Amino acid sequence: AQTVTQSQPEMSVQEAETVTLSCTYDTSENNYYLFWYKQPPSRQMILVIRQEAYKQQNATENRFSVNFQKAAKSFSLKISDSQLGDTAMYFCAFGEPGGTSYGKLTFGQGTILTVHP
Amino acid sequence: IAGITQAPTSQILAAGRRMTLRCTQDMRHNAMYWYRQDLGLGLRLIHYSNTAGTTGKGEVPDGYSVSRANTDDFPLTLASAVPSQTSVYFCASRDNLNTEAFFGQGTRLTVV
Repeated sequence: AQTVTQSQPEMSVQEAETVTLSCTYDTSENNYYLFWYKQPPSRQMILVIRQEAYKQQNATENRFSVNFQKAAKSFSLKISDSQLGDTAMYFCAFGEPGGTSYGKLTFGQGTILTVHP
Repeated sequence: IAGITQAPTSQILAAGRRMTLRCTQDMRHNAMYWYRQDLGLGLRLIHYSNTAGTTGKGEVPDGYSVSRANTDDFPLTLASAVPSQTSVYFCASRDNLNTEAFFGQGTRLTVV
């Protein structure tokens, strides 16, 4: 079974600064997907960024980028130029590729990020 | 495009009562999932379904049951609710080509 660990229950950052959220995982799989989801106070789950394990290049989506270290099983999220709207709970998730487990997602515990003006 | 719709959005339920949380998707996704979210524990998988007619147990299945009579609907039933089932419940779906999981808006359930 896969496990995902987010060791930072809470983080804070000043508006316009950069913050990095940590995530480690454990798996014996070679092909998988990794995700960061954002959950604002509205409770909606919003996909921020995803990474395919077979790709060496780190994924980037506008102000959001990841540092994917496959050998170390680490998948951190960097938010640049933080905005007040980035305030939310962030979840790291491991996605199984298919087969008998058919794409189940395993989530970390979550990190509450607060952006201060 | 509605995506995934959950009902109700919130509910207060007396312990011992039976409750069904509804989930409907219009994306024709094969795989559907039920998660519960608890502070400090993240989202934990309760049950899943790979395709209509099949279901499987997740990490925390005890006290819950599901059915998948068709592609669109995946209801979650609490046969006899207990206070430890107080949580926010999310339904999600994923197709066999796209890697992203889509989530409903969640149901906040309080068992008293």
